[in-house]
Amino acid sequence: KAGVTQTPRYLIKTRGQQVTLSCSPISGHRSVSWYQQTPGQGLQFLFEYFSETQRNKGNFPGRFSGRQFSNSRSEMNVSTLELGDSALYLCASSLAGGSKEKLFFGSGTQLSVL
Amino acid sequence: AQSVTQLDSQVPVFEEAPVELRCNYSSSVSVYLFWYVQYPNQGLQLLLKYLSGSTLVESINGFEAEFNKSQTSFHLRKPSVHISDTAEYFCAVSEKNQGGKLIFGQGTELSVKP
Repeated sequence: KAGVTQTPRYLIKTRGQQVTLSCSPISGHRSVSWYQQTPGQGLQFLFEYFSETQRNKGNFPGRFSGRQFSNSRSEMNVSTLELGDSALYLCASSLAGGSKEKLFFGSGTQLSVL
Repeated sequence: AQSVTQLDSQVPVFEEAPVELRCNYSSSVSVYLFWYVQYPNQGLQLLLKYLSGSTLVESINGFEAEFNKSQTSFHLRKPSVHISDTAEYFCAVSEKNQGGKLIFGQGTELSVKP
């Protein structure tokens, strides 16, 4: 079974631009959550999607948004990029998104904002 | 609000020595507890989790963690480490009915030296 796939692996953008990151969950998994990882703030929860609906949201500004498609693939969008958005963005999937469940993480997208 | 504190940012240790990575959490409700491991340039992988029942949980590669409710701790231990255990370790909590939302500690970098 293929793991969680995130594309692209690396991205370089400039301030003010927008970016879209993609995540394909493990086949059969219906929950996808997104995390931002930085050296200063560590791992922070962005949002979770289940059956195309946002079920949970972290403490990030509205510039961060996401969506989930009927095949459970998810995208995350960041508009008006700031230098502080440089981070590793990790996607994780699970069967039903229950709080007891094991999350399966992708290798992440490394975003650099110049 | 939930929070997770990992008391050591870096733990250097010699091969075959014992190690303990400390984790404390705070939450006003019942939580589930997890340890995830991140090897260089990879996503996170679940090491072990505590949901209920026996307070001592074990992983397949020799790590164990003990849930201590009175001290709100979930420390990770291994009696004899290998070079291959070198990685970053994250303690995390989730609350019931919060789906795939995990609150992570800042991580502990375990460095095993020959």
